[in-house]
Amino acid sequence: DAMVIQNPRYQVTQFGKPVTLSCSQTLNHNVMYWYQQKSSQAPKLLFHYYDKDFNNEADTPDNFQSRRPNTSFCFLDIRSPGLGDAAMYLCATSKDRGANSPLHFGNGTRLTVT
Amino acid sequence: DAKTTQPNSMESNEEEPVHLPCNHSTISGTDYIHWYRQLPSQGPEYVIHGLTSNVNNRMASLAIAEDRKSSTLILHRATLRDAAVYYCILRENNAGNMLTFGGGTRLMVKP
Repeated sequence: DAMVIQNPRYQVTQFGKPVTLSCSQTLNHNVMYWYQQKSSQAPKLLFHYYDKDFNNEADTPDNFQSRRPNTSFCFLDIRSPGLGDAAMYLCATSKDRGANSPLHFGNGTRLTVT
Repeated sequence: DAKTTQPNSMESNEEEPVHLPCNHSTISGTDYIHWYRQLPSQGPEYVIHGLTSNVNNRMASLAIAEDRKSSTLILHRATLRDAAVYYCILRENNAGNMLTFGGGTRLMVKP
């Protein structure tokens, strides 16, 4: 089945040690998103790619970066994780950015910072 | 951005219909009404969306008020697997408007 795959499901990193989370999709969608979801909160959009065009949300910290080397893959880089960055990170895709285009989410990577 | 208001939580009995309400009194003419749900330990899942007319799919039905200031997600027969947080989200139909989650309704289903 076509889907959005996030690896790993659980990631542990040390305070200040760079970490990369990965996402792949078999839907051939143009748009890929990264959301952060902290415990008992709703998901919050960090940024998205429309094809190769990167779009950062205004309040996303500089500590968070992203790369999209091709249509299928997208990476979230956290340069210097702090304790406050512990969260579930969700990747999603959509065919385009219009409101008639639903998002398809992966099951997330839960990041722990020690 | 137009906002939505949902009850924090609701309870339902298994095998019975569930009506999840959403108020969006400041909705604009180009806002689509989207519903997603998030089961425990999973990513959000698209349920249904609509603009003006009621919509049905294999998962649920969406009833939209005539003035569009409220909508109701209808699960026709709740199962234990429907226990989740349900998000009602308005999404303006322009390229710059992203999917922004609000508080959602936590649905509990009793056997």
